[in-house]
Amino acid sequence: NAGVTQTPKFQVLKTGQSMTLQCAQDMNHNSMYWYRQDPGMGLRLIYYSASEGTTDKGEVPNGYNVSRLNKREFSLRLESAAPSQTSVYFCASSAGQGRSYEQYFGPGTRLTVT
Amino acid sequence: KNQVEQSPQSLIILEGKNCTLQCNYTVSPFSNLRWYKQDTGRGPVSLTIMTFSENTKSNGRYTATLDADTKQSSLHITASQLSDSASYICVVKAPSFKTIFGAGTRLFVKA
Repeated sequence: NAGVTQTPKFQVLKTGQSMTLQCAQDMNHNSMYWYRQDPGMGLRLIYYSASEGTTDKGEVPNGYNVSRLNKREFSLRLESAAPSQTSVYFCASSAGQGRSYEQYFGPGTRLTVT
Repeated sequence: KNQVEQSPQSLIILEGKNCTLQCNYTVSPFSNLRWYKQDTGRGPVSLTIMTFSENTKSNGRYTATLDADTKQSSLHITASQLSDSASYICVVKAPSFKTIFGAGTRLFVKA
């Protein structure tokens, strides 16, 4: 099992460009998440999908959109990139959202917006 | 406001020595607390999970403690190895499924 995979690993964008970060999991998990990690700060939730067909905003959703394409895949789109979106993005998945469910993280995408 | 504060921000120790990382939280009510290890360039990986009623949980050379009364947790690493060099993140989950991440402690183990 590959677990949670993310593409690309690195990306450089110019301000105003758009791109989609891809995430897939092969653990048959119901819930999926997108986080961003900035220096000196804890991971912050951008969007999550509790189950296939549903998506909800997290703590910092502005400037992002998501799509839960199917149970395996959850993509994050930046429509018009801004330098403030320079960050490392992590996708995660969990079997459910109950208190005991562990989140499994992908390797991350390092995004730089110039 | 729900917060998770970790100390120190960074720590350098010699291989073979022990160390303790601290986590203070204000999340209330509280569901569980996890410690994650994040290697450079990788995603976080869970080390331990503790619920309100648990005081101690071990995973090999890692031992986590929890004092729910004072809202403090610690992660003790015994006989450190070079491979322990990583960031250690304290994560608190509220019953509403909201998850709050600490900023992490960056540990450097030197030979």
